[in-house]
Amino acid sequence: AQSVTQLDSQVPVFEEAPVELRCNYSSSVSVYLFWYVQYPNQGLQLLLKYLSGSTLVKGINGFEAEFNKSQTSFHLRKPSVHISDTAEYFCAVRSGGSYIPTFGRGTSLIVHP
Amino acid sequence: KAGVTQTPRYLIKTRGQQVTLSCSPISGHRSVSWYQQTPGQGLQFLFEYFSETQRNKGNFPGRFSGRQFSNSRSEMNVSTLELGDSALYLCASSVGISSGSVNEQFFGPGTRLTVL
Repeated sequence: AQSVTQLDSQVPVFEEAPVELRCNYSSSVSVYLFWYVQYPNQGLQLLLKYLSGSTLVKGINGFEAEFNKSQTSFHLRKPSVHISDTAEYFCAVRSGGSYIPTFGRGTSLIVHP
Repeated sequence: KAGVTQTPRYLIKTRGQQVTLSCSPISGHRSVSWYQQTPGQGLQFLFEYFSETQRNKGNFPGRFSGRQFSNSRSEMNVSTLELGDSALYLCASSVGISSGSVNEQFFGPGTRLTVL
């Protein structure tokens, strides 16, 4: 079985500050990992994905994430956030034998001016 | 390539009515999944269709049903609506051929259903 825990339901941060959104997963087999962003009244948009290979994954809008197999984590980072990054962020895991990803509960990133 | 489209975007119904939502996947994608998103429960998986067959199912009552057509377009139906069915319903499409491949999902904008 696969599961995802997003450790923070809400992360407030000031503009131009760095941010890290935490995600831990559990799975008994190899995994694919994803981060999605959702702006108000919109669907989910893929930010980045980890398939295999390099553990540091770069995505759109300046975001990156690091896969840590020993800690079963896939934390999302951005060195300097903008007001426009205010949104809901979802971590998702899909095991190699499954067609359907499991999503975390989401982290609301709130960027203050 | 056009993205995933969902119609309608907004819907208001009353308790006891039934509703049908539509989803058109990205061209070439054969898998369509449906999710219910609410503030309290987050994203919950409803079901997935692949080549007109339901391949995976979440833990929802039988009032929630779906189908997929030969052109991969999908519909979901909710009968006997309850207040708790108010939610954003998201559709996602993927290639869906092999569970061993990346098979990332692409989401539509959702249908906001309000049950009064």
